[in-house]
Amino acid sequence: QLVLTQSPSASASLGASVKLTCTLSSGHSGYTIAWHQQQPEKGPRYLMKLNSDGSHSKGDGIPDRFSGSSSGAERYLTISSLQSEDEADYYCQTWGTGIWVFGGGTKLTVL
Amino acid sequence: QVQLQESGPGLVKPSETLSLTCTVSGGSISSYYWSWIRQPAGKGLEWIGRIYSSGSTNYNPSLKSRVTMSVDTSKNQFSLKLSSVTAADTAVYYCARGSPEAADYWGQGTLVTVSS
Repeated sequence: QLVLTQSPSASASLGASVKLTCTLSSGHSGYTIAWHQQQPEKGPRYLMKLNSDGSHSKGDGIPDRFSGSSSGAERYLTISSLQSEDEADYYCQTWGTGIWVFGGGTKLTVL
Repeated sequence: QVQLQESGPGLVKPSETLSLTCTVSGGSISSYYWSWIRQPAGKGLEWIGRIYSSGSTNYNPSLKSRVTMSVDTSKNQFSLKLSSVTAADTAVYYCARGSPEAADYWGQGTLVTVSS
């Protein structure tokens, strides 16, 4: 079964960097995922599509501070030079077996 | 810039059918996948299903028996119908554009409450 696992929460200081993780279930380590950001009281915003080889393509207007990388079944979203507006929920998402699947989301707190 | 806007009743009675429309502006509805996703208050995202501009559909197996999607290319709109709703269907409903793998543009969402 295709499942995406994310830590429920993360925190980092203003101006620092943070690396969020999305883990693909066993047997699905080659899957492409997408990262989405949901700021408080807003709809989600597409950040990037991230392939198993770490190559990624970002959405329109996404700052260079957002980058992606991959290792095995893990997909990472790194945000550098954290700003207050980066405080949000971050969801990973993929497609397989006729269905889109979302991770449970990680709530990022900027200290 | 592609924009998506959900519209429809904000209140639906139990056992009735929820109907929402998504209007696409700033781009053509052709040659893309169009999805509906929902989010109960304080919870994560749940994919409901998608329709291609040709009309072919994929639905979440957990909702498949109650979901119908359609597309109107002349109006640049696509629609969702969810039948036999209960309180568990209360959520913010989002429409989104995407490829087979991911959504790349999202609407702002519309709250639908199921209550008598």
